[in-house]
Amino acid sequence: GEDVEQSLFLSVREGDSSVINCTYTDSSSTYLYWYKQEPGAGLQLLTYIFSNMDMKQDQRLTVLLNKKDKHLSLRIADTQTGDSAIYFCALRLSGGYQKVTFGTGTKLQVIP
Amino acid sequence: DTGVSQNPRHKITKRGQNVTFRCDPISEHNRLYWYRQTLGQGPEFLTYFQNEAQLEKSRLLSDRFSAERPKGSFSTLEIQRTEQGDSAMYLCASSYPEGTKGSGYEQYFGPGTRLTVT
Repeated sequence: GEDVEQSLFLSVREGDSSVINCTYTDSSSTYLYWYKQEPGAGLQLLTYIFSNMDMKQDQRLTVLLNKKDKHLSLRIADTQTGDSAIYFCALRLSGGYQKVTFGTGTKLQVIP
Repeated sequence: DTGVSQNPRHKITKRGQNVTFRCDPISEHNRLYWYRQTLGQGPEFLTYFQNEAQLEKSRLLSDRFSAERPKGSFSTLEIQRTEQGDSAMYLCASSYPEGTKGSGYEQYFGPGTRLTVT
């Protein structure tokens, strides 16, 4: 089965860049997502990347995909205190399946 | 577009009781998903509907769990004979049909129903 791993915690200073990393085991992943979850709130889709892409940029967010190493990262430029949240990496497999598998989440703490 | 809504937001029940949760997806979405999230973990997939048809079920969905989407709009998730291990946040998500509004693969999540079994 698929396995998605993330580090549990990341602390950065306001204004710095944050890089949240994710590794996965199943090479047949087709869509890879980053979700944000704030306390007491639902999951918010931040961005996603197709498996045939290496990079995607969306304003302050940059997603990098290394298919060879099965590694996905999310870079947040100019991190703000409002970015403090838990970030989940998630992936969807090929074959028409709708199931999305989530990582355990990385808690980002932004220090003012 | 008012987003995905879930009711109730919180439910406390005694072990052995039955509970039912409701999810109202975004109106244009024909796909609906249920997930379970326990403390400190990411969401785990439970089941998926396309219109009224339940097309995927996780092995996490034991025979005490049943989900329905009778008219292809709202969905209910029922847990019978609740156990303390069922305590979790139950999340609903929906998405557009494939080929519309972009990829159709983005899932939009509701705020969840937090279940506590005492």
